[in-house]
Parts: sequence; C-alpha cells; structure tokens
Amino acid sequence: SAVISQKPSRDICQRGTSLTIQCQVDSQVTMMFWYRQQPGQSLTLIATANQGSEATYESGFVIDKFPISRPNLTFSTLTVSNMSPEDSSIYLCSVGGASVASNEQFFGPGTRLTVL
Amino acid sequence: EDQVTQSPEALRLQEGESSSLNCSYTVSGLRGLFWYRQDPGKGPEFLFTLYSAGEEKEKERLKATLTKKESFLHITAPKPEDSATYLCAVSGGSNYKLTFGKGTLLTVNP
Repeated sequence: SAVISQKPSRDICQRGTSLTIQCQVDSQVTMMFWYRQQPGQSLTLIATANQGSEATYESGFVIDKFPISRPNLTFSTLTVSNMSPEDSSIYLCSVGGASVASNEQFFGPGTRLTVL
Repeated sequence: EDQVTQSPEALRLQEGESSSLNCSYTVSGLRGLFWYRQDPGKGPEFLFTLYSAGEEKEKERLKATLTKKESFLHITAPKPEDSATYLCAVSGGSNYKLTFGKGTLLTVNP
C-alpha cells in the first residue's frame, strides 16, 4: 500500500486563525479524502479531493470553512479557516487502494489540532 | 443514510481470553465492509475488507465474518499487543465514502 505522510503532525492555534494541513503520498493515487475525528466520535468524511477540479463536500461541510487543493495525483492540502475551539480534532487524509473497485482506503498518520 | 453501530464500546480481556467485537450496519447496496485498527496517536491501519454475506477473512489472531446485517471481529487468544481501537466502516451505493462506527476500545491485560 502507499506511504502517506501529513504535516504538521500536531499544532496548537489561536481562535480566528487558519491552518493548512498537507498530505503527501509516495505514489500516484486516483482517490484522496479528508476526514475529521473528534474526541469520542467516529471518523467523518469532510470531502473528496478531486485532482484538477473542485473538491466534493459532504453535508455539513463547506468550502469557505475547509478549502481543499489537489494540484496533482500525489498531494493535497486541507485548510481549516477561521478556527474555533470546536474545530479541535484529528484531521486525516486517506487514499483509495490500488483498485478503485476494491474501495479500500489507507490513512495517513493524522494531524492533531488544538484551538485555544 | 448508511449507519454503523459497534459494540461494546470498550472491552477488557485477559491475555489468551478469546472474544468477539460486533459491527451492525445498514447500507443501501453494500460495496464493502472494512475493519481497521487504530493505535493512540496514529491513523487507522487497514485490516480486512468483506464484500458479501458468508465471507470470512483471517489475519494472525483476527478473523472477520459478515452477514447481511452485521460483522464480527473474532480475536483468538489475544496478546497485549492486540490492544487498540478497532473501527468498522461500510461503503455503499455508487460512491466511495466510508461511514465509520465509533469503534471498540480493546484492552488486553497480561
């Protein structure tokens, strides 16, 4: 499976600021996704990062709050904008498996965000 | 809307004490049911994919089974290194979205 890295691994930010999280994969992948994992909650899909076009957002998530870039098949960024303490969470990127038909996803190590 | 419920929320076992974790799901047109293991401070690690009722998969001390309504993750003679949170997820319909349960926190005491 692909090797996935995320930067930063953790950060502490002030209310009202923005943070950009990077996701790098060591091979080209078709599907890239961004998830949020809040304390005591299940992983929730934020959006699908589409290469060369706008991301596809899930219900409850909007582009103004979580802008996403996908400039190529190995890299994506997620920005958490105008942060509040409620945005404190672990943010994870994932990639689709070798076969799109298999539907498997592999996850990066995550970014632990704390907003004060 | 796809839904996944995992039970129990937490499970404590003694080393060598076998048990099972449950994942109940509702999904329209199952594309796959997935089991992941997550250690503290790390991303989920893929374990298994199950595609149809009756399917079983094994990996070391773990065995996953699937029916039309639920999946079980059986842990045989667990060791302390099996301690982790085990996550279940489903994908259905025409998209690749994974819907996760809240997980089961497994602790295996030596």
